Amino acid sequence: EDQVTQSPEALRLQEGESSSLNCSYTVSGLRGLFWYRQDPGKGPEFLFTLYSAGEEKEKERLKATLTKKESFLHITAPKPEDSATYLCAVQANGSEKLVFGKGTKLTVNP
Amino acid sequence: DTAVSQTPKYLVTQMGNDKSIKCEQNLGHDTMYWYKQDSKKFLKIMFSYNNKELIINETVPNRFSPKSPDKAHLNLHINSLELGDSAVYFCASSQDGERPLHFGNGTRLTVT
Repeated sequence: EDQVTQSPEALRLQEGESSSLNCSYTVSGLRGLFWYRQDPGKGPEFLFTLYSAGEEKEKERLKATLTKKESFLHITAPKPEDSATYLCAVQANGSEKLVFGKGTKLTVNP
Repeated sequence: DTAVSQTPKYLVTQMGNDKSIKCEQNLGHDTMYWYKQDSKKFLKIMFSYNNKELIINETVPNRFSPKSPDKAHLNLHINSLELGDSAVYFCASSQDGERPLHFGNGTRLTVT
């Protein structure tokens, strides 16, 4: 069964303090790994899709990387507006569904 | 313009009642989904439809019945509501079932 484990569950950073979120996965043939951001009371907002090991994508202060077993979301010099829950999901080959992890709740203090 | 819109945003009802949640997307996508997010924030797929045809039906009680009148709409009807049905229900859409999902802002269902 496809599975996604995210760590840590919660992370508190000071503004400007860089860190990384982890997403470990097991999947029967990876079609894609997705990162989403979810703010309180809102639906998940798409950030990145990664398809193969070694791939990297960047958007502002966020950078996502992928290996055969895990993905990292690196946050460089975060700002308070980066506070949110970050969700990781995998999609297996031949499947239309995403399997989500439980998320990492990030709080960035000013 | 809201890409994926759900109504209502909040729904409070008593056990045993029947309720519906509506979803509409204006992105021109051909695949729509219902996901459930429980109290532990775990997001899990319930159903997916492609061009009005049911594609995915996860292990969901048959009290839950999705209905897709056209490819821009996917409604969720729930019969005989139970306490355990309390959760946030998200509608989503994607193009071809392979592109990233676009989510609505959710419907918080509370069963008392």
